[in-house]
Amino acid sequence: DAGVIQSPRHEVTEMGQEVTLRCKPISGHDYLFWYRQTMMRGLELLIYFNNNVPIDDSGMPEDRFSAKMPNASFSTLKIQPSEPRDSAVYFCASRAGPYVDYGYTFGSGTRLTVV
Amino acid sequence: LAKTTQPISMDSYEGQEVNITCSHNNIATNDYITWYQQFPSQGPRFIIQGYKTKVTNEVASLFIPADRKSSTLSLPRVSLSDTAVYYCLVGGYNTDKLIFGTGTRLQVFP
Repeated sequence: DAGVIQSPRHEVTEMGQEVTLRCKPISGHDYLFWYRQTMMRGLELLIYFNNNVPIDDSGMPEDRFSAKMPNASFSTLKIQPSEPRDSAVYFCASRAGPYVDYGYTFGSGTRLTVV
Repeated sequence: LAKTTQPISMDSYEGQEVNITCSHNNIATNDYITWYQQFPSQGPRFIIQGYKTKVTNEVASLFIPADRKSSTLSLPRVSLSDTAVYYCLVGGYNTDKLIFGTGTRLQVFP
């Protein structure tokens, strides 16, 4: 398996533009997570899905952020409009089972820079 | 979720054994202890998980005392490539999401 695949690896955009980050989880993993990492706040959980359904979006910072999972093999995280404070590395992770003892597999992340 | 406390940073030299201790005083009966490793510019990577006593794999060993209120990740004979951030997390079959703390930044010097 190729692991969790994220695209793009790097994204530079201007403030106010829409940004879409993409993730392909490991086949057969029913859970998908979006995390954001910054130096100041560390790794923050934004949202997670189970069987394509959003379960907990309490970590989504504000309405400018939205996430979807139209099918088992694809998810997007969208920021509209983007702001400089959204600059961070965004990670997607997937998990095979219902609880944390199953272990997570993370993607390589998307480094977003908003100027 | 059980809160964990671990040192913010540690330094070591190549060839030495490194032990990183994590405190989790309010760990629940059904919680596992899991360690993740994160290299720069990469996502965290699962390295080891245990419930009690000792677990060993090709990467590390995990020591858990009987009261399970702490755990120690042991890295034998570290190399420069072990420079990373190490996260200790606890959770079990009733925990649906991982919350990462600040981790321990390990720097290995030649």
